[in-house]
Amino acid sequence: DIQMTQSPSSLSASVGDRVTVTCRASQTISSYLNWYQQKPGKAPKLLIYAASNLQSGVPSRFSGSGSGTDFTLTISSLQPEDFASYYCQQSYLTVYTFGQGTKLEI
Amino acid sequence: QVQLVESGGGVVQPGTSLRLSCAASGFTFNHFGMHWVRQAPGKGLEWVALISYDGSNIYYSDSVKGRFTISRDNSRSTVYLQMNSLRGDDTALYFCAKDPTGPRCSTYSCYGSAFDIWGQGTMVTVSS
Repeated sequence: DIQMTQSPSSLSASVGDRVTVTCRASQTISSYLNWYQQKPGKAPKLLIYAASNLQSGVPSRFSGSGSGTDFTLTISSLQPEDFASYYCQQSYLTVYTFGQGTKLEI
Repeated sequence: QVQLVESGGGVVQPGTSLRLSCAASGFTFNHFGMHWVRQAPGKGLEWVALISYDGSNIYYSDSVKGRFTISRDNSRSTVYLQMNSLRGDDTALYFCAKDPTGPRCSTYSCYGSAFDIWGQGTMVTVSS
């Protein structure tokens, strides 16, 4: 199975900050990488698909980049509603796998 | 509106079975793949199973292969997860999720999936 490693595992930031989360795959996955946001007690929400495509309805302050094995999720200016956990997920090969998550805290 | 509603969770003893259901509405169900994803309490997300739009491609995570069976009834817009030989480490919130694609599948794998619509989840607790 492809292992997905996110860093950092947790991150403290402030409203207005620019934040970057990194995801590394154990083998090349081309651009088959998605990002999700999850708030406590809620289902995850798709933010970015195919590495850099913004899901409909997601604010433009979210962006994704990368290909091969290294990917990033960037939030350009943190808003109060962005404090949540973020997960990357590869869809290059079934078994699909998630990163362990990054908790973004104030 | 587009919606997924899971049901069937509960508290069961190790070694027993449970069947989860996920009823879909608001989209053309038989055009899209469907997934089950679970989350143990306080832990991250784990993909469990995939069924393609027509049921011809099915994949499982290694942790559930041979014990769980995913199926779908397109006439009822419902996807199921039959869980047998349940263990303590199966305790989790189980989400069903819609794939925005069929998905695309080759002989050995499917690829390009994402999970664009999620249900609210149904809790499964395996405990003696």
